[in-house]
Parts: sequence; C-alpha cells; structure tokens
Amino acid sequence: DAGVIQSPRHEVTEMGQEVTLRCKPISGHNSLFWYRQTMMRGLELLIYFNNNVPIDDSGMPEDRFSAKMPNASFSTLKIQPSEPRDSAVYFCATAVMGGARQPQHFGDGTRLSIL
Amino acid sequence: SQQGEEDPQALSIQEGENATMNCSYKTSINNLQWYRQNSGRGLVHLILIRSNEREKHSGRLRVTLDTSKKSSSLLITASRAADTASYFCATDRGSGAGSYQLTFGKGTKLSVIP
Repeated sequence: DAGVIQSPRHEVTEMGQEVTLRCKPISGHNSLFWYRQTMMRGLELLIYFNNNVPIDDSGMPEDRFSAKMPNASFSTLKIQPSEPRDSAVYFCATAVMGGARQPQHFGDGTRLSIL
Repeated sequence: SQQGEEDPQALSIQEGENATMNCSYKTSINNLQWYRQNSGRGLVHLILIRSNEREKHSGRLRVTLDTSKKSSSLLITASRAADTASYFCATDRGSGAGSYQLTFGKGTKLSVIP
C-alpha cells in the first residue's frame, strides 16, 4: 500500500501565480480531506469529499481556493491568484468511510511558500 | 467551536522515561483519536478510542478517556528517541451536521533526549 501521495512536496512561487496541489488517495478510500497547517492556526479542514462529491467546502478561505475530485484516484487543490498569506503546509488525507469515525491517513504534505 | 486542546504544549524527557500528554475538549463526542507527526511529515494515526471505552492499549501506548471530564490522556511508556514528534488529539462532532469532521488540537511537542 503506497499510502496517500501528494505532489509537489515543496512549491515556491511568486504572489499572483496559480498553484495546483495534487493528491492520490489510497485505493478503496472514499473519503478525502484537504487540510492546511500553520503555526498560528494549527490544522484546519478546507474541504471534504465523499465518493468524489464535495460535501463541505465551508473551510475554503476564499474564492481564490478551489478543489476538484474528478475520479476516485485523484484530487487537486488550486489557488488562483496566490498570496503570501497562503503560505502553509497543505495535507491531503483519506479514510475508508465516515471520516471522523475511522482513522485518517495523511500524505506527507506540500509545503507552499508564496513570495 | 469544539476543539481538542493538548497540554503541555511542549515536553522534554530522557529516554526510558514515560511521557504523558493530555487533551481536553468541549462537547460530546463519538470518538477521540491520537495522531503523531514527525518533522516534515504527515500525521500518522496512533489510536482511536470510542466514547463508551475508558482505556485502550497499543504497544507502548496507553490512552484513557474520561467523558465526564471531557478529557483524554496519552501515555508513552519507556520512551525512545524515535518517539520525538508532535502529538495531536482529534475529536469528532458527535452527531448531526459535520459529524464526519475531525477537529485537531495544536499538539504537544515531545522531545526524547538520548
């Protein structure tokens, strides 16, 4: 089992640029979560998908953020345009089902720096 | 909003000693989970304890849950340098809207000195 795979591991870009973060979930997991981790705010849930359908995007900070899950094997988180305050570590996590009642499996994250 | 809060924020111990971390939360839960995060890595699930359980063991880990006090503790016995990491508790929202969501605390940073 390869685990949750995220790419890229690190991204440094200038403000105003579009950033796309990618996630490959564990096969058979039908719940997918995108989180953002910062020192100040800790780990925050951005969006939750169940069976590829966005269920709750209330944590997405602004319209500049969007997420898609076109199939069970792939999800993206896009920021356009990016701003320095978006700098953080972004994690993708997946679970077998019913996210909060099962362990979540995290990828190693994308460390994003917006200059 | 409901949130697990860990205590202490940081803990430094000698290898071989036991480490205890605490978590408090605000509203009723179905379960509470503990995760470990090594530097530069994602969170790794350690143990899940359900609201009707009081204690759970996994190897050198022992978790207790006191729903009357809305608190949990994680004990790591005979610590090793490799246990150096941040430890997070996470709680669900019980029932209803958002019950799928885990809320994480800010974590306890554990340093085990060889």
